[in-house]
Amino acid sequence: DAGVIQSPRHEVTEMGQEVTLRCKPISGHDYLFWYRQTMMRGLELLIYFNNNVPIDDSGMPEDRFSAKMPNASFSTLKIQPSEPRDSAVYFCASRVGGGPTEAFFGQGTRLTVV
Amino acid sequence: QQQVKQSPQSLIVQKGGISIINCAYENTAFDYFPWYQQFPGKGPALLIAIRPDVSEKKEGRFTISFNKSAKQFSLHIMDSQPGDSATYFCAATTSGTYKYIFGTGTRLKVLA
Repeated sequence: DAGVIQSPRHEVTEMGQEVTLRCKPISGHDYLFWYRQTMMRGLELLIYFNNNVPIDDSGMPEDRFSAKMPNASFSTLKIQPSEPRDSAVYFCASRVGGGPTEAFFGQGTRLTVV
Repeated sequence: QQQVKQSPQSLIVQKGGISIINCAYENTAFDYFPWYQQFPGKGPALLIAIRPDVSEKKEGRFTISFNKSAKQFSLHIMDSQPGDSATYFCAATTSGTYKYIFGTGTRLKVLA
């Protein structure tokens, strides 16, 4: 398996534009997580899914953020409209359930909103 | 109560020295404590993990020390090498929630 795959690796967009980040989890993993990483706040959990169903979205900063998981092999994180303070590295991670197990992270998407 | 506090924010160690990173938590329901290592441009990767029923776990040069009563745990890197230069995150989770709460990270630099 190629691991967790995220795209794009880098995204530069203008304030007000819609941004969509994509993630393909490891096959067979039933949990998927979206994290945001900044220097000030470290790694923040935004939302996570179990078997494609959102379980906890309490970390989503505001209504401008939305996430979907239409099937077991694909998830998106959308920001609309984007703002400069959304600039960060966004990570997707996946893991299997059944107890505490290793979460495998993708390489991240570096988002810059100008 | 969901926070995991990590210190120091950054650390510089000479090659061959011992690197120590500390974390503290409040939620006594946490029952799994992993450490993740992140190199620039990469996602975090699991380094070592411990459960609260043991006080220490060692894997090679990396050791986790766990103090349940103090609600603290730490990562020790023995014989630190320049290749260990990375950002280290402690984390905690509760069985059944499946989500990790991460510390804010420690940027380690090991001088050659």
